[in-house]
Amino acid sequence: AQTIHQWPVAEIKAVGSPLSLGCTIKGKSSPNLYWYWQATGGTLQQLFYSITVGQVESVVQLNLSASRPKDDQFILSTEKLLLSHSGFYLCAWSLGTTSAETLYFGSGTRLTVL
Amino acid sequence: GDSVTQTEGLVTLTEGLPVMLNCTYQSTYSPFLFWYVQHLNEAPKLLLKSFTDNKRPEHQGFHATLHKSSSSFHLQKSSAQLSDSALYYCALSHNAGAKLTFGGGTRLTVRP
Repeated sequence: AQTIHQWPVAEIKAVGSPLSLGCTIKGKSSPNLYWYWQATGGTLQQLFYSITVGQVESVVQLNLSASRPKDDQFILSTEKLLLSHSGFYLCAWSLGTTSAETLYFGSGTRLTVL
Repeated sequence: GDSVTQTEGLVTLTEGLPVMLNCTYQSTYSPFLFWYVQHLNEAPKLLLKSFTDNKRPEHQGFHATLHKSSSSFHLQKSSAQLSDSALYYCALSHNAGAKLTFGGGTRLTVRP
């Protein structure tokens, strides 16, 4: 069975500090990977997606970057956090072979920027 | 571009009454439609999705019918339960592996 693990579970960071969030998928080879962001009370907004190692496409510019250093790993980062980065960050995977594929979400990281 | 509209941000119902959450969409292509549900402090998970052969998907008592003529995929259930209280997202996809566009979400609260 496939599992998706996100870390950390929660972070409280200062404005201007760096950030790195991680996501690992086990049990599935070459999945499509995604980062989503959910502001408090807001909708799910796709940030990045990746269909293969080393390739990441940006969907929304939020002064964040993403990388896929390994087939099963997806990293979200920034060198300088803004207050507006606060929210819930979700990593997800799908098979990506058709448009009808289900998206499987991790349990998320709640980020508070002070 | 693609867009999904959920007109109700908040729906409050009494247990046992029927549920209908609205979802309309705009897409240049013929998309697949999804409903995701997110319970408090949990990650979103798939509730149901449209079929290519126009069958009506059903899960946990919920169903939705894709009406291409009106670009709608409303979520329905005949009798609400307390455990149905959650945030419901309608979403569409037409580009395999690229993007899933979510609506604004509808928070359903079911009261005793």
